[in-house]
Amino acid sequence: DAGVIQSPRHEVTEMGQEVTLRCKPISGHNSLFWYRQTMMRGLELLIYFNNNVPIDDSGMPEDRFSAKMPNASFSTLKIQPSEPRDSAVYFCASRIQGTSTDTQYFGPGTRLTVL
Amino acid sequence: QQQVKQSPQSLIVQKGGISIINCAYENTAFDYFPWYQQFPGKGPALLIAIRPDVSEKKEGRFTISFNKSAKQFSLHIMDSQPGDSATYFCAAISGGSNYKLTFGKGTLLTVNP
Repeated sequence: DAGVIQSPRHEVTEMGQEVTLRCKPISGHNSLFWYRQTMMRGLELLIYFNNNVPIDDSGMPEDRFSAKMPNASFSTLKIQPSEPRDSAVYFCASRIQGTSTDTQYFGPGTRLTVL
Repeated sequence: QQQVKQSPQSLIVQKGGISIINCAYENTAFDYFPWYQQFPGKGPALLIAIRPDVSEKKEGRFTISFNKSAKQFSLHIMDSQPGDSATYFCAAISGGSNYKLTFGKGTLLTVNP
């Protein structure tokens, strides 16, 4: 079985440009999470969806960030306009919505560099 | 507000030694405590997890010790190997309709040959 798929794996862009990160969750999983990882702040939850509906977006830093999940097999995280402080590794994770013991499976991440 | 505090930030152990990483939490609503392992360039992967009604869980060389009254839990890696060199994250999950997974800041473990 394929795991969580993220694209691109690396993205280098200039300040002010729009950046779109993509995620394909594991088939059959109905919860999807976006995380950001930096040395300073560790792993931070940005937003998560259950059954394609955003449930908690309290971690989204500001209005420049937006996330969508148009169907069960695809999600995007968009940053517009991007800033150097957005440079980080962004992870997508998915799970089967159920009890606390249902594991989150992480993708390989997208390393974003904003110049 | 950091709800899960993890220490140490980094740890160097000799091959064959015991690695110990500690975590403390505040929110008593947490009901599941996983540990994730992350290798460079990879996403975190579940290593081992424990429920709060159990004081210890062992899987191979990895053991979680859990102290509910102190709201602390720790990961012990016995007979540490160079292949265990990675970043380890503790986490705490609150389930139900308000599911949330909160990570500690991570511990970079280096096991020297």
